Amino acid sequence: GAVVSQHPSRVICKSGTSVKIECRSLDFQATTMFWYRQFPKQSLMLMATSNEGSKATYEQGVEKDKFLINHASLTLSTLTVTSAHPEDSSFYICSAAGGEETQYFGPGTRLLVL
Amino acid sequence: QKEVEQDPGPLSVPEGAIVSLNCTYSNSAFQYFMWYRQYSRKGPELLMYTYSSGNKEDGRFTAQVDKSSKYISLFIRDSQPSDSATYLCAMRRTGRRALTFGSGTRLQVQP
Repeated sequence: GAVVSQHPSRVICKSGTSVKIECRSLDFQATTMFWYRQFPKQSLMLMATSNEGSKATYEQGVEKDKFLINHASLTLSTLTVTSAHPEDSSFYICSAAGGEETQYFGPGTRLLVL
Repeated sequence: QKEVEQDPGPLSVPEGAIVSLNCTYSNSAFQYFMWYRQYSRKGPELLMYTYSSGNKEDGRFTAQVDKSSKYISLFIRDSQPSDSATYLCAMRRTGRRALTFGSGTRLQVQP
């Protein structure tokens, strides 16, 4: 299957700082990328959908000013958690979709806000 | 009521057993169905992707879709300890790329 990478894999930061997470499709062009959040022992919750070159579409209840998404190219999308707080600590996973119908997921980024 | 229901388990079976994992859904607009495997602290890995009602087989895995009953299944034959993971069903509507996930079933295969 297609390869999607995420960086960093783990980040620990102080409350109030901003954290940027990168998602890259390594061997295909992703017209659409998705950002999910997963709390322990829970399923993936879609946060937003981003299409290359256009503004992201956020799910209900997700603050677009707090979770900034940029999809600057067909292989890169970034999620920036602004002014992170302990309740933002979670496992953030991106996925990418190219011409096929399926999504391929990255390995996830574990964020811990102290 | 959730759009997709999945028993969270945990499901514990002995090595070599046949495992049956299931999801039900309420929205007939879901037309594409997937099964993902997720190991602890890792991203989900796509196992099976189906569209039509019926069975699809890939190695030890068989995905089954019954659109009339809004019920999908994943069967794992000759289960191995390395199959121990959380299995997530996912589905999407025609014209939308976003997936709706079940809550995941934790599977433990005992050696």
